[in-house]
Amino acid sequence: KQEVTQIPAALSVPEGENLVLNCSFTDSAIYNLQWFRQDPGKGLTSLLLIQSSQREQTSGRLNASLDKSSGRSTLYIAASQPGDSATYLCAVRAAGTYKYIFGTGTRLKVLA
Amino acid sequence: DADVTQTPRNRITKTGKRIMLECSQTKGHDRMYWYRQDPGLGLRLIYYSFDVKDINKGEISDGYSVSRQAQAKFSLSLESAIPNQTALYFCATRGQGGNQPQHFGDGTRLSIL
Repeated sequence: KQEVTQIPAALSVPEGENLVLNCSFTDSAIYNLQWFRQDPGKGLTSLLLIQSSQREQTSGRLNASLDKSSGRSTLYIAASQPGDSATYLCAVRAAGTYKYIFGTGTRLKVLA
Repeated sequence: DADVTQTPRNRITKTGKRIMLECSQTKGHDRMYWYRQDPGLGLRLIYYSFDVKDINKGEISDGYSVSRQAQAKFSLSLESAIPNQTALYFCATRGQGGNQPQHFGDGTRLSIL
């Protein structure tokens, strides 16, 4: 059974710092992996989706990488800003299914 | 206007009541999903649908039912609500193509007393 873990559960960094968020999954047979941002009282906003054949995806200051063999994905945020403060979740779609398994998220606070 | 709209945004009700949560979308997507989010447990899939009248169970479908009578609408019902169904409920949509991202509504916060 696929399990998705995000450590740490919470993280505080000063503004301007580059940071890495981690996502681990137990079964390497995945179809894709998606990173989301969730603001308080809001739904999830899709940030990046990495297909199983890809190693990374970039959007602005965000870069997501995927290493299926080790069961890991990272979300790199460059030059963090207070507006980046949110909870970041990753979700894995297992190969051969239509279902996504979510991690419990990392709550990020960027201090001004 | 939001692409994925959930109503109501908040609801407080009593044990045993029947509740319906509505989701409508303007994205033209055929795939729609219902999730619940609980602290420390992440999002869990309740039901999903790939087309009108197509219904598929997710991880935690017991105690819930859904209806997909139109492509743009997907409703979730709790026939007889119980306190452990207190949670944040999200609707999501996705377009055709395996690598299309999911798009979420803003959620319904449901409290059952």
